[in-house]
Amino acid sequence: NAGVTQTPKFRVLKTGQSMTLLCAQDMNHEYMYWYRQDPGMGLRLIHYSVGEGTTAKGEVPDGYNVSRLKKQNFLLGLESAAPSQTSVYFCASSYGGDRDNQPQHFGDGTRLSIL
Amino acid sequence: RKEVEQDPGPFNVPEGATVAFNCTYSNSASQSFFWYRQDCRKEPKLLMSVYSSGNEDGRFTAQLNRASQYISLLIRDSKLSDSATYLCVVNQGWNSGGYQKVTFGIGTKLQVIP
Repeated sequence: NAGVTQTPKFRVLKTGQSMTLLCAQDMNHEYMYWYRQDPGMGLRLIHYSVGEGTTAKGEVPDGYNVSRLKKQNFLLGLESAAPSQTSVYFCASSYGGDRDNQPQHFGDGTRLSIL
Repeated sequence: RKEVEQDPGPFNVPEGATVAFNCTYSNSASQSFFWYRQDCRKEPKLLMSVYSSGNEDGRFTAQLNRASQYISLLIRDSKLSDSATYLCVVNQGWNSGGYQKVTFGIGTKLQVIP
């Protein structure tokens, strides 16, 4: 049982480049999330999805786009990478709907450096 | 006031000691609470949920005090392997975006010393 899988694990980009981070979950969860974690700031929500075909902005959405074309996948795109987007990115998923108040399960993260 | 507040530590304790962390939250309508553990350069992992009546899992005990709006985590007989950052997580309930707002604390770092 893979749980939540993120690819890639590491990436180095140059300023202005674009890329897509992939998150896949096999737990049939409705909700999926993208977070970034920076030293001293904890986890901050970038975007989230409450179901296939839906996305919404979180706390720090600027510079990122997302798509949820399939229930099991949640993609995070960086349109034009900036050094301020150097961070560790975590994807998470959880049950939703009538199974609320359930904990989130995390992927093992993507370490992204923007030069 | 921050939505979820934790003392970042570090808490340096000897092996075998008992250590307790508190976490305060600002939204009295918060519905569910969790403690996560995060090892260095790893993802957060669920340690335990926090129930209204308090709950225990081996050496770990979680408590909820709704009146004072805080949750606590007690670790007895600390092991070297308990060294990690402990994240307090609060589900604040449904928001206007149609999902349940979950807020993570900054985490409390625990270092267990031989």
